[in-house]
Amino acid sequence: SAVISQKPSRDICQRGTSLTIQCQVDSQVTMMFWYRQQPGQSLTLIATANQGSEATYESGFVIDKFPISRPNLTFSTLTVSNMSPEDSSIYLCSHPVGGRSNEQFFGPGTRLTVL
Amino acid sequence: GQNIDQPTEMTATEGAIVQINCTYQTSGFNGLFWYQQHAGEAPTFLSYNVLDGLEEKGRFSSFLSRSKGYSYLLLKELQMKDSASYLCAVRVSNDYKLSFGAGTTVTVRA
Repeated sequence: SAVISQKPSRDICQRGTSLTIQCQVDSQVTMMFWYRQQPGQSLTLIATANQGSEATYESGFVIDKFPISRPNLTFSTLTVSNMSPEDSSIYLCSHPVGGRSNEQFFGPGTRLTVL
Repeated sequence: GQNIDQPTEMTATEGAIVQINCTYQTSGFNGLFWYQQHAGEAPTFLSYNVLDGLEEKGRFSSFLSRSKGYSYLLLKELQMKDSASYLCAVRVSNDYKLSFGAGTTVTVRA
């Protein structure tokens, strides 16, 4: 699996502001995904980041709130817009690793706290 | 929607065995995954089942029954470092997306 890094690793933000999270993979990957993990809960898929086209969002998530960019096969950003305390979560990017299981390999995550 | 159920918490003694059950009702099925997540860290892949039966990998084994919508993760010879959350996840189609259960927090006591 390719190595994934995320920036920032954590941040504390004021409500109403926006934060852009970067995900960098050290080799080209076809697909990238963004997940959210709210405190004490499991992971929920936000969207599939498509290279060169608009992201595909899951039910309950919209582009205006979570705009995503994927300019190339190694990089993606997720913006959390007009934040509220309910957006306090860990945000993780991932990619499938191929092979028999093709499991998702997760980045280290970005821990966001909104005050 | 997808419905994936697993117990919230389990406690076991070092050296013992623990079995974490997962039941699922999903709109499709293309594989079941188990992940381990230590506090403050990202989930790491443990096992994958797509056909019925048992997959063994060292101290960890995972079982799947597709007809029953049921899986379990078996942790043997428990060590303190096995204290973590264990996530059951189902892939419902060929698009690599995963639906996760809420996770089971396992506490290993000396």
